[in-house]
Amino acid sequence: AQSVTQLDSHVSVSEGTPVLLRCNYSSSYSPSLFWYVQHPNKGLQLLLKYTSAATLVKGINGFEAEFKKSETSFHLTKPSAHMSDAAEYFCVVRKRDGYNKLIFGAGTRLAVHP
Amino acid sequence: ETGVTQSPTHLIKTRGQQVTLRCSSQSGHNTVSWYQQALGQGPQFIFQYYREEENGRGNFPPRFSGLQFPNYSSELNVNALELDDSALYLCASSHEGVPNYGYTFGSGTRLTVV
Repeated sequence: AQSVTQLDSHVSVSEGTPVLLRCNYSSSYSPSLFWYVQHPNKGLQLLLKYTSAATLVKGINGFEAEFKKSETSFHLTKPSAHMSDAAEYFCVVRKRDGYNKLIFGAGTRLAVHP
Repeated sequence: ETGVTQSPTHLIKTRGQQVTLRCSSQSGHNTVSWYQQALGQGPQFIFQYYREEENGRGNFPPRFSGLQFPNYSSELNVNALELDDSALYLCASSHEGVPNYGYTFGSGTRLTVV
């Protein structure tokens, strides 16, 4: 069965410092993994996706994630946080079982302080 | 290229009533899926439609039903509303058959059942 676990429910950083949001996945085969961001009272926006090509994936707004099969991890990073990065972040795996549904983690709320 | 549009944005219904939520898919996408996001949680898969037929369903009762139209737009219907149905309902469109396809989400419909 496929699943994702987001290791932190809340992360707080200062503006200009690095961001690390952690995600571990469980999958019996090479997964398709995504990171989505949700700003308050908004829908979901795709940050980046991994689909078995390069293990280091670059996304929008300076975010990137590295797929590490040996650690079953797909952590999201950004070198320097901006106030506008404050939002809820979801790590997502696509389940392949004849149809392709997305399985979401519980989310990590990122707070950015001046 | 248009995105995914959902209507209405907010809705208040009384327990026991019925509700219909609407979604217009992104141009060129042939698949639509619906997700329920309860407060403070990650989205949960309700069902998916492809070529006007339901081809996948999550752990939701039959009072949750849907339709997909020839133009790939979609409706989510919920009968006999319960208080626990209060949530943000998200629609996502995608294109089955395109390798490594992604999902485009709408901004959601916030349903409150009182």
